[in-house]
Amino acid sequence: DTAVSQTPKYLVTQMGNDKSIKCEQNLGHDTMYWYKQDSKKFLKIMFSYNNKELIINETVPNRFSPKSPDKAHLNLHINSLELGDSAVYFCASSRGPPRGTNEKLFFGSGTQLSVL
Amino acid sequence: DAKTTQPNSMESNEEEPVHLPCNHSTISGTDYIHWYRQLPSQGPEYVIHGLTSNVNNRMASLAIAEDRKSSTLILHRATLRDAAVYYCILRPYNNNDMRFGAGTRLTVKP
Repeated sequence: DTAVSQTPKYLVTQMGNDKSIKCEQNLGHDTMYWYKQDSKKFLKIMFSYNNKELIINETVPNRFSPKSPDKAHLNLHINSLELGDSAVYFCASSRGPPRGTNEKLFFGSGTQLSVL
Repeated sequence: DAKTTQPNSMESNEEEPVHLPCNHSTISGTDYIHWYRQLPSQGPEYVIHGLTSNVNNRMASLAIAEDRKSSTLILHRATLRDAAVYYCILRPYNNNDMRFGAGTRLTVKP
């Protein structure tokens, strides 16, 4: 079984549309993250949730809204998509909270978003 | 953000050892040194981490300089499957907030 799974793997859409990316982890972890990898391959943290509570919220446009229905799921909703949103989005999880521990992260295989 | 410096790229021959360097001259006493790697079309995966002493696991070894201002990830026998981007990251002892830099792209030649 895949530890951290994301769907879809590829997402091609038009500017202005609203889309969602889903993430699930079966590791029993308390913390989940969203990262964005741009065309230059830099991997930047966007959000982190611990037990459904938002802990880290980087400077991300408010068109991006994470939603955590339970601690095993962290979905990413993006409204009014723009060309600059094209990137690979990675979900990750860790056992402990984002602040207070030094846990290793487990990443999903990524969702390649292309905005046309 | 990453506070580490790594070469952009390195090459290695298959079945030879690889030493991937990382400079982190501004490391604080409570920063851990973490290494992750990202294989093509995959998410990053944990490789190894350490604080002061050298560390070994089934994937690699981590050699940490005595002053902790640099470290080296050692792959003892590179395989084609080790071709990836390797990230060296400093993490405070109480923080999971991972900040990735550009990493080193390792090419393994048959």
